[in-house]
Amino acid sequence: AQKVTQAQTEISVVEKEDVTLDCVYETRDTTYYLFWYKQPPSGELVFLIRRNSFDEQNEISGRYSWNFQKSTSSFNFTITASQVVDSAVYFCALSESTSGTYKYIFGTGTRLKVLA
Amino acid sequence: DTEVTQTPKHLVMGMTNKKSLKCEQHMGHRAMYWYKQKAKKPPELMFVYSYEKLSINESVPSRFSPECPNSSLLNLHLHALQPEDSALYLCASSQRQGAGNEQFFGPGTRLTVL
Repeated sequence: AQKVTQAQTEISVVEKEDVTLDCVYETRDTTYYLFWYKQPPSGELVFLIRRNSFDEQNEISGRYSWNFQKSTSSFNFTITASQVVDSAVYFCALSESTSGTYKYIFGTGTRLKVLA
Repeated sequence: DTEVTQTPKHLVMGMTNKKSLKCEQHMGHRAMYWYKQKAKKPPELMFVYSYEKLSINESVPSRFSPECPNSSLLNLHLHALQPEDSALYLCASSQRQGAGNEQFFGPGTRLTVL
């Protein structure tokens, strides 16, 4: 069965520290997609990245980087030199090609607090 | 225009009221979604529209009634809600309904049912 686990419920760091948010997924599909979203206190979910199951290249976008490892079914997200504006809840999500519905399976989210 | 807009931002209603939530996007997306999110939980899918046709209803109670008048607009009609329906209601859209299509979310409507 498909599942996304974000074991870290809440993380607190001091500004400028690096922080990694973990995401572990379960799926029987060979074709699937993984996503990260940021939800600041305002409520809107902001799309950060999409990765398909055939592309294991790591990605860097400014202070954000993502490490996708199929061998461990993980898609971790690192923020380098964190800032107060990074404080938010971060969701990892999985979508499978053969499910027919293509629904997002969300993890439970990780609340990140960056302290000044 | 790369945003999804939702109105109203906040809504307080009694259990006997009828109200509607509105969602709009002008990105040419052909799939639109309603989600419900309770505090400290991930969003839960309620409905999906694909090419203006209802594609998924996640066994949502009939007191929630979705409507997609055209490809840019999505409404959620509310009637006889219960206090436990109080939540953040998020609308999203994607190019198509498909696994690789990222969804873009609106800011949500915070609904309180008294």
